[in-house]
Amino acid sequence: GDSVTQMEGPVTLSEEAFLTINCTYTATGYPSLFWYVQYPGEGLQLLLKATKADDKGSNKGFEATYRKETTSFHLEKGSVQVSDSAVYFCALSMKTSYDKVIFGPGTSLSVIP
Amino acid sequence: SQTIHQWPATLVQPVGSPLSLECTVEGTSNPNLYWYRQAAGRGLQLLFYSVGIGQISSEVPQNLSASRPQDRQFILSSKKLLLSDSGFYLCAWSVWESSGTYNEQFFGPGTRLTVL
Repeated sequence: GDSVTQMEGPVTLSEEAFLTINCTYTATGYPSLFWYVQYPGEGLQLLLKATKADDKGSNKGFEATYRKETTSFHLEKGSVQVSDSAVYFCALSMKTSYDKVIFGPGTSLSVIP
Repeated sequence: SQTIHQWPATLVQPVGSPLSLECTVEGTSNPNLYWYRQAAGRGLQLLFYSVGIGQISSEVPQNLSASRPQDRQFILSSKKLLLSDSGFYLCAWSVWESSGTYNEQFFGPGTRLTVL
């Protein structure tokens, strides 16, 4: 079945370091891909999305490119801040009437000053 | 604009007691509604989803149930709570993007449930 795999955390970085969180997916067909962020004690918020191959989603300095050939959607940020500390979830949505979103297990990021 | 409400925000209940968590959505019609559970330090577990009034699909067999009495209201219930029911419960809604290319979910603030 459809699935999303993320790199295991927790990830700890110093402020201004470069961030990469790997995400790969398995899907029959061409999904839409998302990154959600969950700050401590809160619900999830959509961070960015890409709906077709080679699309680049971007928001708040974060970027991810939909790579169909490698079935990947890695999240990157050039310079992280303490306020980026959160759990990041990669997810996919298929164009079916079933209407579910498949989430990865989440990657916890801690940024230290 | 659309908003989603969940209450209560936090709840402490004894084992064996009943549960009712409520979720309501404003500013949209005929949304898909979802209940997720997130155990401490873990990922999201989809519990139930609904594509319309009275239509409930269960993902995980357990002692929880869900109901959708109105278009924008989704309720999670239990007759007798277990210790393992502790967690962070998230409600979400979605509608298909207008071109039909993706399903984006919007999450509520969550309910922190502790069963003692």
